[in-house]
Amino acid sequence: GENVEQHPSTLSVQEGDSAVIKCTYSDSASNYFPWYKQELGKRPQLIIDIRSNVGEKKDQRIAVTLNKTAKHFSLHITETQPEDSAVYFCAADYNTDKLIFGTGTRLQVFP
Amino acid sequence: NAGVTQTPKFQVLKTGQSMTLQCAQDMNHNSMYWYRQDPGMGLRLIYYSASEGTTDKGEVPNGYNVSRLNKREFSLRLESAAPSQTSVYFCASNQGHGQETQYFGPGTRLLVL
Repeated sequence: GENVEQHPSTLSVQEGDSAVIKCTYSDSASNYFPWYKQELGKRPQLIIDIRSNVGEKKDQRIAVTLNKTAKHFSLHITETQPEDSAVYFCAADYNTDKLIFGTGTRLQVFP
Repeated sequence: NAGVTQTPKFQVLKTGQSMTLQCAQDMNHNSMYWYRQDPGMGLRLIYYSASEGTTDKGEVPNGYNVSRLNKREFSLRLESAAPSQTSVYFCASNQGHGQETQYFGPGTRLLVL
């Protein structure tokens, strides 16, 4: 079945630095790759997504890249701020009707 | 709009007890999902309903049952709770299928003793 691996599990950066989180997926038929942010005690919320017909997508300080050949996709956060501290989940669609999530990355941004 | 709502927020059960987690959405979404979240395991799909009247198993369905009561409501039932079902349960919904944004409820924290 579909599997999504996410690395690293924890990431600590200084405020202003960049952060990169990487995911790999197993199903070559996957076409949709969202990223969710979950603050402590809150629900996951979508921050950005990318589809297989696009190699990169940006939204202000966050960007996502996709390499379909290698089955890799990554989240890039530039100029990190303390409010970026959260758990980030990647996901890939499976059979077009559901998502398989990675195990999450806890990002800590130190002032 | 309230979005996706879940009840209860927190529940303590003894092993063997049963309970139903309720989920409702007011966004006229067709698809609804139940996930469990455990430390280090991410979000794992328990069951989903692609449309009213249909339900399908996800990655970890054992020990659970679901009911898509109508388009708005999707309930998750634990018939005989086990300590391994201690987790945070999230309901989510979206308009059509897995390739669209899912909107999550606030979660239900369940402790099984």
